This record gives sequence, C-alpha cells and structure tokens, in this order.
Amino acid sequence: AQSVAQPEDQVNVAEGNPLTVKCTYSVSGNPYLFWYVQYPNRGLQFLLKYITGDNLVKGSYGFEAEFNKSQTSFHLKKPSALVSDSALYFCAVRDTIGAGNNRKLIWGLGTSLAVNP
Amino acid sequence: DGGITQSPKYLFRKEGQNVTLSCEQNLNHDAMYWYRQDPGQGLRLIYYSQIVNDFQKGDIAEGYSVSREKKESFPLTVTSAQKNPTAFYLCASTYTQGLGYTFGSGTRLTVV
Repeated sequence: AQSVAQPEDQVNVAEGNPLTVKCTYSVSGNPYLFWYVQYPNRGLQFLLKYITGDNLVKGSYGFEAEFNKSQTSFHLKKPSALVSDSALYFCAVRDTIGAGNNRKLIWGLGTSLAVNP
Repeated sequence: DGGITQSPKYLFRKEGQNVTLSCEQNLNHDAMYWYRQDPGQGLRLIYYSQIVNDFQKGDIAEGYSVSREKKESFPLTVTSAQKNPTAFYLCASTYTQGLGYTFGSGTRLTVV
C-alpha cells in the first residue's frame, strides 16, 4: 500500500539550532514528494517539492529537504531554526497508482515543530 | 490576486441541521478537494472533483455531499447524517496534472 510516515508527532528544538523533520514514504515507481506547513487555524502552505533532479531541494523560508531513494526518505531541514518556524508540518507523496487524472496526494499525519527561544 | 476562498471561517450548527461550506477559486484549476482535519489524524479526504459536473468519494464521504456546477466552485454540504461533524475543513485545488495543491484558509465547524 502506498503511504507516508512521519515518525515523530512532535519535534522540539532551540532557536538557532538546526532542525530536522522526518518523512519516509512507500510508493511504486518514482515518487513526487512535497512538504507543507500549517500555522494554527490556517490552511496549508507549500514549502517545497521533489520531482526529479538534485536530491537536495531548496524551498521557502530557508527550508530544504533531502531526497534519499535508498532509504525512501524525504527529511525536511533548516540550518538555524526560528521561533516563528513553530507550526505543523506535513509530508505528502503523489499517488502513483491509477490514471494520471486521478492521482491524489497521500498525506502523513503531521509533525508539530516547537522552536524554543 | 489568485487564490482559494473558503467561507465562513467559523460555523456553528445545531444537531440535525445541514450546513454548506463554500469554496471558490480563481486559479483556473481543474481539480478541487475537500479534507477534514482532526487533531492527530492528519488530513482525510472527503470528496474530490477533477472536472465540472463530476466528483468522486474520498475516504470519509459518508454524511457529506458536494456539487461541481462551475469550475470555480466546489461547495461541501455537511448533512445531519454526519455523526461527528465538528472539525476543521480544508479545501484545495490544483491543475489536473498538477504537482502541488493550493489550500484555502479553512472553515471550523462546531456542532452546538
């Protein structure tokens, strides 16, 4: 079955320290991977995506993610965390089964990031 | 500016009533989606539509209904058959072969 796992419900990091939010996936074929961020009582905002090419993808707000095919992972990273980065982060992978028009995103359950001042 | 507008932001419903949540987009996107979000459960797909006048059930469609009469609009009705409707509802859209979704700001529905 196709799936996305975010193994940590919550990640705590001190401001200024590097942060990592983990994501692993299981799909057949080549994965299209995404990270979104959600602030309280708001919709999700797109951060970055991996389709093909360089395994290190740079996105919004200084975030980046590294695609690792052998480990089927797509961890989100930032070199220096800010208190304003505190939010809920979702990893998603595009469904690879079925006709192209019906390919939806499969979502992880989310990881709550808390950056402490 | 292009985007997705969900209204209202907060909605209160009495038990036994149907309510309709609005979702409008001016992005010229083909596909639209409705998700329900509950704490710790991530995003669960209710319904989606790839083209006008066509839509498919998602993973938790029972107690919900939708229509897609216009490309720009995809309203969601929460019926009295939905036993636990209190949740945060998110609408999203993308091009048919799109590689990412644009989300609305959500509607928080509370049953009183």
